[in-house]
Amino acid sequence: DAMVIQNPRYQVTQFGKPVTLSCSQTLNHNVMYWYQQKSSQAPKLLFHYYDKDFNNEADTPDNFQSRRPNTSFCFLDIRSPGLGDAAMYLCATSRGFGGPIKYNEQFFGPGTRLTVL
Amino acid sequence: AQTVTQSQPEMSVQEAETVTLSCTYDTSESDYYLFWYKQPPSRQMILVIRQEAYKQQNATENRFSVNFQKAAKSFSLKISDSQLGDAAMYFCYIGSSNTGKLIFGQGTTLQVKP
Repeated sequence: DAMVIQNPRYQVTQFGKPVTLSCSQTLNHNVMYWYQQKSSQAPKLLFHYYDKDFNNEADTPDNFQSRRPNTSFCFLDIRSPGLGDAAMYLCATSRGFGGPIKYNEQFFGPGTRLTVL
Repeated sequence: AQTVTQSQPEMSVQEAETVTLSCTYDTSESDYYLFWYKQPPSRQMILVIRQEAYKQQNATENRFSVNFQKAAKSFSLKISDSQLGDAAMYFCYIGSSNTGKLIFGQGTTLQVKP
């Protein structure tokens, strides 16, 4: 089945220690998104890639970076995690960004729960 | 600018009954679309239903339907014959067909009582 996979499902890191979360997709979608979701809150979009074009949200801290080496994979790098970065991180994909609605349906992965000690 | 408001942080419904979750929005976009997504506890977000703003007909997917009132900028979700598996957090979101910009509402947690 086509899907969005996130690894690991749970990640524990130490304050200030860099951490990388990964996302892969078998849907061959053009767009990949990273969201941060804190408990009982809406997902907050951090950035997205349309193919190789990186699009950062204006309020995303510099501490968060992303890489997309190919269509299938996208990584979220947190350079110096703080206690406030503990959250669920969601990866999602879509065929397009804008345009007809059918291109904008997002498919979500199960998320990676990040704990910062 | 776009905003999405879900004014009910929590709702509950008796199994087999009907419940309506509200969502209001504001946008200056002329061409946009709206989605309802469901996030069950500890499980991934999945699409419930979608609606293009230019369509007057309300979308329906099995037990799920929307009441889309474009002039009032309202996009409520009705769940009929509620089931225990409907218990989840529900998010409304709006996206721009022109720019792709999207905004999530704050979410409504739905409890289904047996």
